[in-house]
Order: sequence, then C-alpha cells, then structure tokens
Amino acid sequence: SAVISQKPSRDICQRGTSLTIQCQVDSQVTMMFWYRQQPGQSLTLIATANQGSEATYESGFVIDKFPISRPNLTFSTLTVSNMSPEDSSIYLCSVRDGYNSPLHFGNGTRLTVT
Amino acid sequence: GDSVTQMEGPVTLSEEAFLTINCTYTATGYPSLFWYVQYPGEGLQLLLKATKADDKGSNKGFEATYRKETTSFHLEKGSVQVSDSAVYFCALAISSGSARQLTFGSGTQLTVLP
Repeated sequence: SAVISQKPSRDICQRGTSLTIQCQVDSQVTMMFWYRQQPGQSLTLIATANQGSEATYESGFVIDKFPISRPNLTFSTLTVSNMSPEDSSIYLCSVRDGYNSPLHFGNGTRLTVT
Repeated sequence: GDSVTQMEGPVTLSEEAFLTINCTYTATGYPSLFWYVQYPGEGLQLLLKATKADDKGSNKGFEATYRKETTSFHLEKGSVQVSDSAVYFCALAISSGSARQLTFGSGTQLTVLP
C-alpha cells in the first residue's frame, strides 16, 4: 500500500494565523482526501483534492477557510486559515487508488490553536 | 442515508481476554465493510475488510464476518494484548465512485491492561 508522509506531525498555533499541512505519497494515487477528527470524535470528510483543479468540499467546509492544492498525483496541501480554538483537531490526509480500494491514511497533524 | 453504529466505549479488558466490538450498518446497495485502527498519536490503519456477504476479514488475530441478514460486522479477537490498545473504527463504503462513499462509525476506545 501507499506510504503517506504528512507534515507537520503537530503544531501549536495562535488564533488568527494560518497553517499549511503537506501530504506526500510515495506513488501516484487516483484520489486524495482531507479529513478532520475533532477530539473524541470520528472522522469528517473536509474535501476531495482534485489534481489540477479546485477541490470538492463537503457540506460545512469552504475554500476560504480550508484552501487545498493538489499540483500532481503524489502531493497535496491543506491550509487551515484564520484559525480559532474550534479548529483544534487532528487533520488527516488519505488516499485511495481506485474506487473499490480501501482508504489509506497518513499519521495526521495534531493542531492546537490557542 | 448510510450510517454505521458502533458499540460505545471505552472498553477495558485484561490481557488474554476475548474481545468483541459490535458494529451494525444501514446502507442502500451493497457496501464493503472495514475496520480501521488508530494507535495513540498515529493516523488510521486499515485492519481488515470484507466486500460481500459472508466474507470474513482477518488480520493480526482479529476477525469480522459480513452478516447481511443482521447488517453487522462485529470485530472479534480471541486473546487481546496490551499492544492492541487503540481506537477502532468501523466503516462502510458504497462502490459509487463518490468521495462521499466512506462512512465511519464513532470509534471505540479499547484499553488492555497487563
């Protein structure tokens, strides 16, 4: 399965600032996704990162708050903009190589906003 | 809509005890079913999967059988170890090609005591 490297692994940020999270995969993958896992909760899909075009956002998530880039088939970034304490979560990059294959996850970025 | 209901945690067991984590689902169509595990400080890892009724997924001593008649996919292990302490997520996927196809349960925290 694909090896997914996510950076940073954790960060503590001040309110009002922005953080960009990087996701690098060791092979080309069809689909890349960004999930959020709030403390003690399950995973919520933020968006699908589309190569060479704008990401597809789920209900409740908008591009101004969570801009996403995917310049090629192995790399994507998620930015958490104008952060507030409510953005404190684990952010997870995941990939799937084909519609019927399972999701594989990076180790996540643990974000704390003070 | 599609949903996954998991046994509420936390679950605390002694080493070598028998483990069952219940998972039931509601879905239109014919879902694939998964168990993911999240060890402390890490991202999610696929533990096992089953793609059709009566399939049994197995890995690392864990098993789960896809029961269409009871819409269940309960996770079992005959003898747990301290290293099995983690959060376990049940998930389903509909092979529609949509990024919305993967639905997670709320997760069950397992702690195994020596």
